[in-house]
Amino acid sequence: DGGITQSPKYLFRKEGQNVTLSCEQNLNHDAMYWYRQDPGQGLRLIYYSQIVNDFQKGDIAEGYSVSREKKESFPLTVTSAQKNPTAFYLCASGTRGKGANVLTFGAGSRLTVL
Amino acid sequence: AQTVTQSQPEMSVQEAETVTLSCTYDTSESDYYLFWYKQPPSRQMILVIRQEAYKQQNATENRFSVNFQKAAKSFSLKISDSQLGDAAMYFCAYRSAVTGNQFYFGTGTSLTVIP
Repeated sequence: DGGITQSPKYLFRKEGQNVTLSCEQNLNHDAMYWYRQDPGQGLRLIYYSQIVNDFQKGDIAEGYSVSREKKESFPLTVTSAQKNPTAFYLCASGTRGKGANVLTFGAGSRLTVL
Repeated sequence: AQTVTQSQPEMSVQEAETVTLSCTYDTSESDYYLFWYKQPPSRQMILVIRQEAYKQQNATENRFSVNFQKAAKSFSLKISDSQLGDAAMYFCAYRSAVTGNQFYFGTGTSLTVIP
């Protein structure tokens, strides 16, 4: 079945450590997105990518980095520069270009900084 | 950036009754798309319904329908015959038809269904 796989589902990190969240899709979607979800704040865009080897910052990119070396994969690294990384992270993908194209989401990754 | 506002942080409805969730948005564009997503306790985001701004007819998906008022920039979701499985966070989202790159989400409405 086609879908988006995020791993790990739960992750614990010590302060000062970098951590990478994995996102893989087999939907043949060009566009991929990373969102952060905090209580009462909805979904905030961290980074998005429309094509391989290209990505753009979203509204809250500071302290995060991404890569897009393959169409299927869009990993997110939460660096030690992110001051408040404890959150729920959602990866999504969609078709590129204009149209009522919907986002398909992964099941999310919960990051807790100890 | 476009702004999407959901002014009801929490709502509740009796099972089998009807509830309406509100959403407003701010844009200067005339062509865009609007969506309602549902996030149940599993936290898996699921598309509920979508609306193209150029269509005057309100979208409907089974028990879910929208009231799209373009001039008022309003996009409310009506859930009829509410079921226990409808309990979830509901997010309204906007996507431009011009750039089409980003989706803008509201802060969500938590819906409780009372048996």
